Amino acid sequence: LAKTTQPISMDSYEGQEVNITCSHNNIATNDYITWYQQFPSQGPRFIIQGYKTKVTNEVASLFIPADRKSSTLSLPRVSLSDTAVYYCLVGDRHGGNNRLAFGKGNQVVVIP
Amino acid sequence: DGGITQSPKYLFRKEGQNVTLSCEQNLNHDAMYWYRQDPGQGLRLIYYSQIVNDFQKGDIAEGYSVSREKKESFPLTVTSAQKNPTAFYLCASSMRPDDTQYFGPGTRLTVL
Repeated sequence: LAKTTQPISMDSYEGQEVNITCSHNNIATNDYITWYQQFPSQGPRFIIQGYKTKVTNEVASLFIPADRKSSTLSLPRVSLSDTAVYYCLVGDRHGGNNRLAFGKGNQVVVIP
Repeated sequence: DGGITQSPKYLFRKEGQNVTLSCEQNLNHDAMYWYRQDPGQGLRLIYYSQIVNDFQKGDIAEGYSVSREKKESFPLTVTSAQKNPTAFYLCASSMRPDDTQYFGPGTRLTVL
């Protein structure tokens, strides 16, 4: 399984842009990069998915360099409600079945 | 109103008893998944199913069992063989095995 490495936690002030990094050195050619957000005692929620360069939706942007060994999730102008754990996942095929591996994620705390 | 549901939200059981957690989806998704989450940790895959009447062990299948008799249902049984069953259990589904996963609200199981 392709593994990901993220910082354990980070703090940010309300209204700032937050950039969350993820390393995935063993990413395979067919793998996509997916980010989820999880609030306490809730299921993770899909944020964004990308393969290369840049992807943007109404919630976030995802930047992926040419070598695809890392990615950065960018949250514009965060609010207190963005305090959550953010997971970076890399799609992996094992025996023909795709299994996503969730690491411990990155705890983002937004400060007033 | 489409979505994925889990019941109950909180569940208490005595040690040594088997317990079954419900997961239902009306999204017409082929694939379904069960994860376990412990405090401060990421999600760990217990079992997954790509299609009806088929399922595969995940990373921590010991002490658990599943069935997939219907497309919309993927119940998880926590057996007495599971040494430390107290945890937050999350069910997810995806259209196909390599698609984005959508999560239910979770069931918090406490074994007394």
